[in-house]
Amino acid sequence: GQSLEQPSEVTAVEGAIVQINCTYQTSGFYGLSWYQQHDGGAPTFLSYNALDGLEETGRFSSFLSRSDSYGYLLLQELQMKDSASYFCAVVNTDKLIFGTGTRLQVFP
Amino acid sequence: NAGVTQTPKFQVLKTGQSMTLQCAQDMNHEYMSWYRQDPGMGLRLIHYSVGAGITDQGEVPNGYNVSRSTTEDFPLRLLSAAPSQTSVYFCASSSGLASNEQFFGPGTRLTVL
Repeated sequence: GQSLEQPSEVTAVEGAIVQINCTYQTSGFYGLSWYQQHDGGAPTFLSYNALDGLEETGRFSSFLSRSDSYGYLLLQELQMKDSASYFCAVVNTDKLIFGTGTRLQVFP
Repeated sequence: NAGVTQTPKFQVLKTGQSMTLQCAQDMNHEYMSWYRQDPGMGLRLIHYSVGAGITDQGEVPNGYNVSRSTTEDFPLRLLSAAPSQTSVYFCASSSGLASNEQFFGPGTRLTVL
């Protein structure tokens, strides 16, 4: 089977930096994806890491360490609109398996 | 492009009724999948398809059937609805692989009484 762990909630203030961690246990691991979901909305894709290291896309970066079965999403220069749930998801051969999500609240 | 569309947006069923949730995409994506999301939980994979004529089970397939007769459509059938199937259902598609960006539909909110 597979399992993913991420914190249930994180809070931060505008302009700050926040890191959302994800640890996973799975067989047939291909890579780690991150998705954002605003309340009442559908998930949207943020990033995908297949190799170890840091991938940067604007204010968001994602990191993967395959040897540690660990990844994180780094959000910089936080804005109020970043308040949402963030999900890590493992790509397991031809399946995408999601974690339970981290709710990020950004305060002014 | 309409992207991924789902119908209906809302549905109320009685226990034991059957229904089909519709999902269509106009991006010529090979990979399609169905997820359910319960309050405070992540998305759980129900069924997925890597191409027309090919389907496979996800994490929580019991009580659901799928078929993929065309590239565009991937309907989800509830055979005999149960209150435990009350959830928000999302359909997603991507080109090629599960690792590629998944495009999600707007969701169907289903209540089973």
